[in-house]
Amino acid sequence: QQQVKQSPQSLIVQKGGISIINCAYENTAFDYFPWYQQFPGKGPALLIAIRPDVSEKKEGRFTISFNKSAKQFSLHIMDSQPGDSATYFCAASSGGFKTIFGAGTRLFVKA
Amino acid sequence: SQTIHQWPATLVQPVGSPLSLECTVEGTSNPNLYWYRQAAGRGLQLLFYSVGIGQISSEVPQNLSASRPQDRQFILSSKKLLLSDSGFYLCAWRTPLLVEQFFGPGTRLTVL
Repeated sequence: QQQVKQSPQSLIVQKGGISIINCAYENTAFDYFPWYQQFPGKGPALLIAIRPDVSEKKEGRFTISFNKSAKQFSLHIMDSQPGDSATYFCAASSGGFKTIFGAGTRLFVKA
Repeated sequence: SQTIHQWPATLVQPVGSPLSLECTVEGTSNPNLYWYRQAAGRGLQLLFYSVGIGQISSEVPQNLSASRPQDRQFILSSKKLLLSDSGFYLCAWRTPLLVEQFFGPGTRLTVL
């Protein structure tokens, strides 16, 4: 019940295309859903986050879509660029104290 | 602004040797502190967290221990390293007032 399931494990997208990463959770007590971006050899960096009272949040080329009834949320990267090539983690927390992370998606954007 | 430091950046240690990794946070008081381990190509496994000086909670029984001797200092230790302790160790912090968690640059540990 504490898991966050993330798919796909890896993703290859052409430059300019849309990258889509999906996550699902079970615990309805989760109230904060962040996405992190990690480049090789670096710590993860907070990219964008959403709360369950909002169905969509957009920041630049990055959009989170949230479906509370289905207990799913996804990250969309519009106009994907080679610089977006990284590992992306979805996560969920209840009250922010402990955060449960998905297994990660390795994104490669082909030039 | 807040910053988080980890050292060393990389470490190669023989099996059976001790370990001490340090994490410090600047620009905030009474943060919640976390140690994660990331195996190669894998997700983030929470190892320990702390809500205050001397207060440590362990998530996974293992060969490691953690201590928080000062408000903004978090230390990960081992008396005898195992091969399976190899990985990328990440320290993170958050202020209790907000939910966002921020990560340090990490320490790459290789046990040979």
